[in-house]
Amino acid sequence: EVQLENSGGGLVQPGGSLRLSCAASGFTFSDYWMTWVRQAPGKGLEWVANIKQDGSEKYYVDSVKGRFTISRDNAKNSLYLQMNSLRAGDTAVYYCSRGATAWKNWGQGTLVTVSS
Amino acid sequence: EIVLTQSPATLPLSPGERATLSCGASQSVPSSYLAWYQQKPGLAPRLLIYDASNRDTGIPDRFSGSGSGTDFTLTISRLEPEDFAVYYCQQYGSSPLTFGGGTKVEIK
Repeated sequence: EVQLENSGGGLVQPGGSLRLSCAASGFTFSDYWMTWVRQAPGKGLEWVANIKQDGSEKYYVDSVKGRFTISRDNAKNSLYLQMNSLRAGDTAVYYCSRGATAWKNWGQGTLVTVSS
Repeated sequence: EIVLTQSPATLPLSPGERATLSCGASQSVPSSYLAWYQQKPGLAPRLLIYDASNRDTGIPDRFSGSGSGTDFTLTISRLEPEDFAVYYCQQYGSSPLTFGGGTKVEIK
């Protein structure tokens, strides 16, 4: 069974940093693109970033370019999102998902709150 | 960027009724790379339809997707109680990947 376990969320002050993790199991992690999607409270879904199987290609939504970094460790079956210079507008539940296109498998989400 | 506009924003219906949800794109979605998701409060989205008209594994056949180019539709033939939720369309034919704003199907 495919499982994605999100962790790392919390309360952070504006300008601060946070690193999210996604632990994958039940499939060959290194065979798949991986993606981060977020959802602000009461709002819709927004694609944030994705990364190729070997980490050689990474893509970001414009609003996080230069502040967020997606990475992966295929030996640890883990996906990461390093978030720097956080803003109030980054407050959201962050989900990891498997694949680069239509996402069948999702983590449970982790809440990031940016507030002073 | 392809902007997706979903209508209506809210759709009040009764169990057993037919639901028709629309998703309009600001420009043609390449290869009909469009998906539909269902989301219930506090849960991650659930993939229903991919490539505009293909049901994902395990999705009941009362859910169907159609359309191409800039106009797409999700139809729920007969609403079951568990179908009342928010539905999102998403295109993956062009970067950045984008979602529509959602349609809430609520009990009338």
